[in-house]
Amino acid sequence: SQQGEEDPQALSIQEGENATMNCSYKTSINNLQWYRQNSGRGLVHLILIRSNEREKHSGRLRVTLDTSKKSSSLLITASRAADTASYFCATVPPGSGNTGKLIFGQGTTLQVKP
Amino acid sequence: NAGVTQTPKFQVLKTGQSMTLQCAQDMNHNSMYWYRQDPGMGLRLIYYSASEGTTDKGEVPNGYNVSRLNKREFSLRLESAAPSQTSVYFCASRAGVGGLSYEQYFGPGTRLTVT
Repeated sequence: SQQGEEDPQALSIQEGENATMNCSYKTSINNLQWYRQNSGRGLVHLILIRSNEREKHSGRLRVTLDTSKKSSSLLITASRAADTASYFCATVPPGSGNTGKLIFGQGTTLQVKP
Repeated sequence: NAGVTQTPKFQVLKTGQSMTLQCAQDMNHNSMYWYRQDPGMGLRLIYYSASEGTTDKGEVPNGYNVSRLNKREFSLRLESAAPSQTSVYFCASRAGVGGLSYEQYFGPGTRLTVT
C-alpha cells in the first residue's frame, strides 16, 4: 500500500509564483525524499530530509518535516515553466536496514504557466 | 557515464507471452530496484537487490522474476504477461554504502502494453 498521500493532486500556477506541495505518511520514518519526474522521463532526486531535521533548503527548494503530524511540504519559490513536472515524496521506513527501499506517494502534478 | 539504462523503451506483448526487461548501471552502485508506475498510483516496488547476489520481493512481486546478473545488471522477467501488467517500468540504483546513501537514480523507463 502507498505510504504517502500528496496534496494537491494537481496544481497550476503562473511563472514567478510559489508552489507548495504536501505529503503525509503513515508510519515513522528514517528520512523523507522528494523526487521530480518530467513527462515521459525517470525520476530525479531533489532533496532528502532526515527524521531529526525540521527544514532543509536547496536552491529554490525548501522542504519542511513535521514528524509529529507525519507530514512534509515542498516549497518551490519563484517558479519557472521548466518546473512543470510531477513531484513525489518517498519515505524510508525504519527497519529497512540497508535495503534502501522507498515507498512513494501518488504525486502532485505541477503546471507552471509562462 | 550513462547512469542507469533500460531496454527496451517500448514493448507490446500479447497475453501469455514472456519477456525480459534489461537494466544496467555504470555507477558501481550496490543496490538496484524495479518499480512499476500506473496512473494515479505513484511508483510501487516490484523487486529489489540490496547487494550483488541477493534479491528480495517488494510490494507487488506476483507475476515477475528478477536476476541480479552481476553488480551492473538487474533484469526483470515476465513469464506469462497479463493485461494487468500494462505499465511503465522503472529501474533504479543506489550506492548503498553504509546505509547512509538513500538517493536513488532512475532509468528512463520501459513502457509495456499487454493486449
